[in-house]
Amino acid sequence: EAQVTQNPRYLITVTGKKLTVTCSQNMNHEYMSWYRQDPGLGLRQIYYSMNVEVTDKGDVPEGYKVSRKEKRNFPLILESPSPNQTSLYFCASSLASTLGTDTQYFGPGTRLTVL
Amino acid sequence: GNSVTQMEGPVTLSEEAFLTINCTYTATGYPSLFWYVQYPGEGLQLLLKATKADDKGSNKGFEATYRKETTSFHLEKGSVQVSDSAVYFCALDLRSEKLVFGKGTKLTVNP
Repeated sequence: EAQVTQNPRYLITVTGKKLTVTCSQNMNHEYMSWYRQDPGLGLRQIYYSMNVEVTDKGDVPEGYKVSRKEKRNFPLILESPSPNQTSLYFCASSLASTLGTDTQYFGPGTRLTVL
Repeated sequence: GNSVTQMEGPVTLSEEAFLTINCTYTATGYPSLFWYVQYPGEGLQLLLKATKADDKGSNKGFEATYRKETTSFHLEKGSVQVSDSAVYFCALDLRSEKLVFGKGTKLTVNP
């Protein structure tokens, strides 16, 4: 089954404790992206990757890191989480964004709470 | 810059009512337009899309027509069901590196 998986689905942590949210897709997609969803703000892009070893900042990259060592995986790293990073996070993938017509496939989301 | 504006929610309807969720966009070019749906506790999934002016996207009884002259992509359904209760997001893609999303409209359909 074609899918994007994220782990963990739920996480409660404390300020400053490094964490990683994993994202994996089995569709051989080049493009992957991370979004955060906050009430009243919709979805905002954090980072994206056009292919292996190619990553770039989205609209709200501060406090986050990513890596793309393999095509299928795109982990989101919070080196020192803060309470304002409490949010619902989504990973997404697609064949190639530059074509402008590709559907993005979303993971089920990770609800993160930083105390 | 590129942006999407969709009607504020929440929207509450009775089953079998007609649904319209307005979406307008601003873009420096000719974007592809999408409606995504998020059911409770789930990720977003594509509902329908249109890639050029006058295209009509349709799926599961929902329709939206790409109107270049009014820069709009309004979502409609003739008869909503309880199972349509979800958050609906309008989005555009300008062959850049991201989708630009509206803020979402929560729809609740009561029996």
